[in-house]
Amino acid sequence: LAKTTQPISMDSYEGQEVNITCSHNNIATNDYITWYQQFPSQGPRFIIQGYKTKVTNEVASLFIPADRKSSTLSLPRVSLSDTAVYYCLVGALHTDKLIFGTGTRLQVFP
Amino acid sequence: GAVVSQHPSRVICKSGTSVKIECRSLDFQATTMFWYRQFPKKSLMLMATSNEGSKATYEQGVEKDKFLINHASLTLSTLTVTSAHPEDSSFYICSALQGTTEAFFGQGTRLTVV
Repeated sequence: LAKTTQPISMDSYEGQEVNITCSHNNIATNDYITWYQQFPSQGPRFIIQGYKTKVTNEVASLFIPADRKSSTLSLPRVSLSDTAVYYCLVGALHTDKLIFGTGTRLQVFP
Repeated sequence: GAVVSQHPSRVICKSGTSVKIECRSLDFQATTMFWYRQFPKKSLMLMATSNEGSKATYEQGVEKDKFLINHASLTLSTLTVTSAHPEDSSFYICSALQGTTEAFFGQGTRLTVV
């Protein structure tokens, strides 16, 4: 299972775009990249998943360069309710354990 | 996304008693479920991987006799904290694997042992 490195924390203001980058230098061929959001006293919530290039859904975009050694979660126009911890996970879930790294604590200010 | 229901969301028990936490995948079958423990302001710590019909695989340092895991069906896994003590107080979270690439989480269980 590839080890991931994320910034411990980030600050932003409402309406801004936030980009959180995750490094995963030893990502394997079968590994997917998945991002989760967690609010206090709640279970993590699936945000987005990708394998390569760019993936976009109704809440976020995920950018993955060709070498797949990093990925960037992009949150457009954040609001106060986006204040949470964001986790990047890398692995092939049908064969790997689901291991969490430290996550990035995002604080959005008014 | 898929729904994973965890019950109870909050429980208080006396020291020495046992507590059972249920994790159900409501709209899909999950061959594999994961159990986590989370301390305040810390990341999730994997306790064990539960596969339907077989014994759970525990992470190093997790006492299998204390944290009993049963995954008797494709939609239900249970975690029983036996002879609970105050140091077992924590936030416990389950996750169910849908297919081979997506994992969904329960809402968590806050256990307080008094």
